[in-house]
Amino acid sequence: EVQLVESGGGFIQPGGSLRLSCAASGFTFDDYGMHWVRQAPGKGLEWVSGISWHSGSIKYADSVKGRFTISRDNAKNSLYLQMNSLRADDTALYYCAKDRYASANYYMDVWGKGTTVTVSS
Amino acid sequence: DIQMTQSPSSLSASVGDRVTITCRASQGINNYLAWYQQKAGKVPKVLIYAASTLQSGVPSRFSGSGSGADFTLTISSLQPEDLATYYCQQYNSAPFTFGPGTKVHIK
Repeated sequence: EVQLVESGGGFIQPGGSLRLSCAASGFTFDDYGMHWVRQAPGKGLEWVSGISWHSGSIKYADSVKGRFTISRDNAKNSLYLQMNSLRADDTALYYCAKDRYASANYYMDVWGKGTTVTVSS
Repeated sequence: DIQMTQSPSSLSASVGDRVTITCRASQGINNYLAWYQQKAGKVPKVLIYAASTLQSGVPSRFSGSGSGADFTLTISSLQPEDLATYYCQQYNSAPFTFGPGTKVHIK
């Protein structure tokens, strides 16, 4: 069964850092691009970042550029999101999602259940 | 960046009704458009990709159409389990923006 399981969320003060992880199983991880998508409480979906199969192509939303870093470890079937300089408006449920293809330039066909990040003083 | 809009923001329809949701991009997106369904408290699920291709396992009452910058998601005969919020997303160019969503209620 194809599965994505996020972890690492929590409660953090503004200006702090968190590292999210996503463990993938049930598919050949290094054949596919991956994404992070977030959803603030009661709000819509916001694409955050995407990374190609070999990490050669990485893209970010303007709202997180310079603060968040996406990475992957294909040997560990894992995707990461390092989040620095966190702000209150980063509060959201963060989903890990698999791209349909290797380049991370397409739609997302598998989603994890998400991990919650709350930024508050 | 490409901006996505959707209309209506919400709708209420009866079981069996034909429902249409519109999505518009701020520029042409070469049919690189996906539709997702998100039920309350659940994970988004892709319904349609490449503007009109039905994802495997999705009921045939869902269909997508459109080209350029204007797209439509149609539910041919609304079912109770279609209660959800529907999002369009462009993947023509990063950032891969989502529309604000359309909430579908059952009368």
